[in-house]
Amino acid sequence: KAGVTQTPRYLIKTRGQQVTLSCSPISGHRSVSWYQQTPGQGLQFLFEYFSETQRNKGNFPGRFSGRQFSNSRSEMNVSTLELGDSALYLCASRPNYNEQFFGPGTRLTVL
Amino acid sequence: AQKVTQAQTEISVVEKEDVTLDCVYETRDTTYYLFWYKQPPSGELVFLIRRNSFDEQNEISGRYSWNFQKSTSSFNFTITASQVVDSAVYFCALSESDTNAGKSTFGDGTTLTVKP
Repeated sequence: KAGVTQTPRYLIKTRGQQVTLSCSPISGHRSVSWYQQTPGQGLQFLFEYFSETQRNKGNFPGRFSGRQFSNSRSEMNVSTLELGDSALYLCASRPNYNEQFFGPGTRLTVL
Repeated sequence: AQKVTQAQTEISVVEKEDVTLDCVYETRDTTYYLFWYKQPPSGELVFLIRRNSFDEQNEISGRYSWNFQKSTSSFNFTITASQVVDSAVYFCALSESDTNAGKSTFGDGTTLTVKP
């Protein structure tokens, strides 16, 4: 089975712009979670989608949003980018239960 | 609120030494799940183990072993006879249930460096 894929792998944006990141889960996995990883804050949960519905949400401002499509692929969007949004964004998929399988991440740099 | 503490920020050992990575957690839930992940320099987190709160049996997988003690809220990870390829950041994580395992709380990670 192919693993979790994330595109793009690297992204450079400027403050104020918006960005969309994509995640394709492992085939058959219906849950997709997003995490932000920064040196200062570590790994923080953003949100989880299951069957196109947001199931859980972390403590991030409304500028961070996501969605899931019927094929379980997910996108997350960050609007009005700030310097502090520079991070590695990790996507993880899993069947409804059990452990998460992570993708390689998208490294976002905001200038 | 859940919390995971990995007090060791960095550990450096010489190849073939044994090393233990500590993980202490806090939760009010009676049912919860604990995980360990490895993050090599490539960035992708690799799942190592999952343990539920009702299963306190220790587990061994090759050179890896895990010690789960509910009495001390700890879930420690030991690598026996460490190798250079074990160099990575290791994360301990906690989720309140199987359904919510997609919303895990992670520790800050321990960076392990194994020198030849």
